Amino acid sequence: DQQVKQNSPSLSVQEGRISILNCDYTNSMFDYFLWYKKYPAEGPTFLISISSIKDKNEDGRFTVFLNKSAKHLSLHIVPSQPGDSAVYFCAAIHFLNTGFQKLVFGTGTRLLVSP
Amino acid sequence: DVKVTQSSRYLVKRTGEKVFLECVQDMDHENMFWYRQDPGLGLRLIYFSYDVKMKEKGDIPEGYSVSREKKERFSLILESASTNQTSMYLCASSRSLSSYNSPLHFGNGTRLTVT
Repeated sequence: DQQVKQNSPSLSVQEGRISILNCDYTNSMFDYFLWYKKYPAEGPTFLISISSIKDKNEDGRFTVFLNKSAKHLSLHIVPSQPGDSAVYFCAAIHFLNTGFQKLVFGTGTRLLVSP
Repeated sequence: DVKVTQSSRYLVKRTGEKVFLECVQDMDHENMFWYRQDPGLGLRLIYFSYDVKMKEKGDIPEGYSVSREKKERFSLILESASTNQTSMYLCASSRSLSSYNSPLHFGNGTRLTVT
């Protein structure tokens, strides 16, 4: 059962435009959300995160929005650059009874930014 | 800068072989993880370890075991490799399992093919 879903496997955007990557989740116990970026032949790298008590977090060209009532988050990249072309994974954290956190990843969206 | 090193980029093994995937991190992180990445399924957690000689099952531990004899090293073992274990395997480490501000640092992955 996929608790974190990225329904768009791919997205193509022109350089300079906005890229919007979407993510839906089913578990209301998730406390924290993250986005990771993955280039081919490399491991994923952390990009940006947001706590469940916030609805927006911004870091340079990257902004993450969280809509808790809809169980939906999105990553906005403005302006998009060719170097942003990568696979983006949405991930969610919830804390187990042990006090440890568990990270659940989505299926990923491949972003292609063309010049 | 955290470095997570996976000993092999590519491995080809035969069905039934015992396979060892090795991972080393250099930042004295307490926690280490093994994920596999498959198209359409995202990253799925196999096992994690929060201390030397301690391990916890992730979401898909069947067919795998792990070993953590030293803090910096976490090994994934396929006791008897099968073709459905053909995948990209990603090792990761983190400083804390109880803090939001402790993102995962990934290695570059090992692509395992079982024939």
